[in-house]
Amino acid sequence: AQKITQTQPGMFVQEKEAVTLDCTYDTSDPSYGLFWYKQPSSGEMIFLIYQGSYDQQNATEGRYSLNFQKARKSANLVISASQLGDSAMYFCAMRDLDTGGFKTIFGAGTRLFVKA
Amino acid sequence: DAMVIQNPRYQVTQFGKPVTLSCSQTLNHNVMYWYQQKSSQAPKLLFHYYDKDFNNEADTPDNFQSRRPNTSFCFLDIRSPGLGDAAMYLCATSRDKRGNADTQYFGPGTRLTVL
Repeated sequence: AQKITQTQPGMFVQEKEAVTLDCTYDTSDPSYGLFWYKQPSSGEMIFLIYQGSYDQQNATEGRYSLNFQKARKSANLVISASQLGDSAMYFCAMRDLDTGGFKTIFGAGTRLFVKA
Repeated sequence: DAMVIQNPRYQVTQFGKPVTLSCSQTLNHNVMYWYQQKSSQAPKLLFHYYDKDFNNEADTPDNFQSRRPNTSFCFLDIRSPGLGDAAMYLCATSRDKRGNADTQYFGPGTRLTVL
C-alpha cells in the first residue's frame, strides 16, 4: 500500500540559512512521482517541485531542491537561503499506480517557521 | 493570472442547510478534483472528474455530491452540512490522470464554517 511519512511536525530555521524537510515513502510500484507543495496560511497549495522515480538527477527549482535517495525511499526537500515568506506548511506527496488507477497521496505535512 | 479559482473564499452555512462551492479553471485541464482539508491535516480526496467521468472515493459520504457542467467549472454540493463538515475545501486540476508525473494545481480554497 502507498504511504508517505513526514516525521517533523514543525521546524524552525534562521532566515538565510538552509533547511531540510524530511519525507519517506513506501510503494511497491517501480514507477512513481514525488511532489512537494507549500501551503501558506492563506490556504492555497502551491506546487514546488517534482521528481520522477527514474530520474537520474535530483530535481531543482530555484531555491528548492529535492534530495532523492531511492534506495532509502526518501525524498527530502531542501530550501536554501530561507526567507520569511517561506514560513508555511509543506506537504510531500507521491503518485503511483494503485488499484483503480493512478492516485496521489499526501503526507501529514511539516510546518516551517523562518525566524528573522 | 489566477488559473484555478474558487468562490467564495469563505462560506458560512447553518447545520443542515445545503451549500454549493464552486471552482473554475483556465488551464483547460481534463481532470478536476475536490479535496477536504481539516486543520493541520493532509488534504483528503473526495472525488474527481476525468472529463465527464465522475470518480467517487470509497469513503466519501453520500452527503457530498459534485457536478461538472463543462470543462471549466466544477461544483461541490453538500446536501446537509454537519458540524464535522467544517473544513477547507480545495479544488485542483491536472492535465491527465494517467501517469505518475501528472501535477495537480490547486485553487485558493473555500473555508466552510457550519453553525
